[in-house]
Amino acid sequence: QSVLTQPPSVSAAPGQKVTISCSGSSSNIGNNYVSWYQQLPGTAPKLLIYDNNKRPSGIPDRFSGSKSGTSATLGITGLQTGDEADYYCGTWDSSLSAHWVFGGGTKLTVL
Amino acid sequence: EVQLVESGGGLVQPGGSLRLSCAASGFTFSSYSMNWVRQAPGKGLEWVSYISSSSSTIYYADSVKGRFTISRDNAKNSLYLQMNSLRAEDTAVYYCARDIGGSSSHFDYWGQGTLVTVSS
Repeated sequence: QSVLTQPPSVSAAPGQKVTISCSGSSSNIGNNYVSWYQQLPGTAPKLLIYDNNKRPSGIPDRFSGSKSGTSATLGITGLQTGDEADYYCGTWDSSLSAHWVFGGGTKLTVL
Repeated sequence: EVQLVESGGGLVQPGGSLRLSCAASGFTFSSYSMNWVRQAPGKGLEWVSYISSSSSTIYYADSVKGRFTISRDNAKNSLYLQMNSLRAEDTAVYYCARDIGGSSSHFDYWGQGTLVTVSS
């Protein structure tokens, strides 16, 4: 059971928009920046969003992030078949001892 | 170009030890915090350990505390993970990941991973 809660799967048609939620608590999302990672099948994770809503260079503006209270959201517009991947949110957690936490991951299917 | 290359994975018996290495290039290694993250077959990402740029701050996941030791050699641009008392549940692909550190902590570059299999 992950500290950060994500839906196991989401799906949408090509060209459509999808959002992936990440729910936490005051000890993690509520007081720290959230980042998002994309993992294409058989590859290493890749940074998509950092500091809640910033995109690294090379990441298209179809990908966006937001945070409100103890929840964060990843948005993807103009879905492409190449977006089919697992998506993870992550942040530091300061409960008891400091440690990084990931969400359980969300499998995106582009129908 | 930033590159992180892990090595040292393999098959080890339960209770055994293994040392993973991560060779860094393309950036000033001594200026960045580093992490190890693992992924069991068919499962999600699990953070394992963090080390600050000067090795002054180290954190471990509860699942590996007391068994794993993270270290780095800035002169050799290398990150290490000494894994002792290995268990079947430690079977995973182990990734090293660069961390910006500080309040903006996030993993901006990842290695390709090295597979550790704990089995008799």
